[in-house]
Amino acid sequence: EVQLVESGGGLVKPGGSLRVSCAASGFSFSDNTMTWVRQAPGKGLEWVSSISSTTTYIYYADSVEGRFTISRDNAKNSLSLQMNSLRAEDTAVYYCARWRDDNYYLDYWGQGTLVTVSS
Amino acid sequence: QSALTQPASVSGSPGQSITISCTGTSSDVGAYDSVSWYQHTGKAPKVMIYEVTNRPSGVPDRFSGSKSGNTASLTISGLQAEDEADYYCSSYARSTTLVVFGGGTKLTVL
Repeated sequence: EVQLVESGGGLVKPGGSLRVSCAASGFSFSDNTMTWVRQAPGKGLEWVSSISSTTTYIYYADSVEGRFTISRDNAKNSLSLQMNSLRAEDTAVYYCARWRDDNYYLDYWGQGTLVTVSS
Repeated sequence: QSALTQPASVSGSPGQSITISCTGTSSDVGAYDSVSWYQHTGKAPKVMIYEVTNRPSGVPDRFSGSKSGNTASLTISGLQAEDEADYYCSSYARSTTLVVFGGGTKLTVL
């Protein structure tokens, strides 16, 4: 059974940093592109960042480019998102999801972890 | 990176059919047959349709998708109370990004 479990969310002050992680199991993590998607309170889903299986390709949304860094540890089946210079508008539930390179969609999602940026 | 355009809300009675539209551009929806639809009830989003018309295993055949030009659509026939959720469309948008989502549509089953 595919499982994606996010962790690391919490309360952080504007301008601060936070790292969220995703533990993957039940599939060959090292063969898959992984993605972060977020949902701000009362808003829709927003794609944040994706990283290919061997980290050759990395993509960011304009809204986080230069502030967020996506990474992965294939030996530990783990995906991370380092978030720096956080803003109030980064407050959201952050979901980890698996991207299907063959069919171009997100087939498995985690339950999400809440990040709150507030003073 | 403009979001795809969806109606904010739709509603229908049990047994009826509803359609949710998703309008993009010639750089995303119109350029690729890679539109997907997600159902979100507050937990982990669930894919209902991928590659415009394909249903993952376990998704009822009451859910169907289509596309014409820059607009994709999700149709739910024989509405059931359990279908009440937020629905998001998404498209592959290969440029400097990978994915673009719609703003979401809240489906209310009356």
